[in-house]
Amino acid sequence: DTAVSQTPKYLVTQMGNDKSIKCEQNLGHDTMYWYKQDSKKFLKIMFSYNNKELIINETVPNRFSPKSPDKAHLNLHINSLELGDSAVYFCASRPEAGNTEAFFGQGTRLTVV
Amino acid sequence: AQSVTQLDSQVPVFEEAPVELRCNYSSSVSVYLFWYVQYPNQGLQLLLKYLSGSTLVKGINGFEAEFNKSQTSFHLRKPSVHISDTAEYFCAVSEYGSNYKLTFGKGTLLTVNP
Repeated sequence: DTAVSQTPKYLVTQMGNDKSIKCEQNLGHDTMYWYKQDSKKFLKIMFSYNNKELIINETVPNRFSPKSPDKAHLNLHINSLELGDSAVYFCASRPEAGNTEAFFGQGTRLTVV
Repeated sequence: AQSVTQLDSQVPVFEEAPVELRCNYSSSVSVYLFWYVQYPNQGLQLLLKYLSGSTLVKGINGFEAEFNKSQTSFHLRKPSVHISDTAEYFCAVSEYGSNYKLTFGKGTLLTVNP
């Protein structure tokens, strides 16, 4: 059983399109995150939700909109895709208390052409 | 604001040699420290973490790291590496009270040669 699963694993799309990446965790964690890894492998946080409430919102273009229908899911919707959005997007989760370790999904490689 | 510096972008070593991957951080408050490993086309896997207590922490796959508060460092070590340790290694810091936001270093590519 995959703890943090993302779909799709690969996504190739044209500039200007709107796309979504889905993330689900079956660990019972309260907090979920989206991180972006650029072409130089630099990882940077984008958003975090705790029990469906947005708690971290870094400087991210408003074309990116996270949505958390329940605490097990955190989806990422991107409008009007640009070439610079090409990256690997990682979802992660962690419990609210105790262990501070974050568990990461396998990533979604987004390529905008 | 917290920041992490990984001093070496690439570290080539021969199999069975010891290795140290360096990590320094900057923060005005107490922190949690982590090392993650990323194998090619994979997600991130936790190697080890420092939360509190003993400054020497042991992780998976024979790795260990030592927290040095005075030098604000958290270097990763392994006494004898294997070909299978070839991967990208990321040091990360999370400040107390930051909602456990992870700030990552730029990564160190460890290449183990036969």
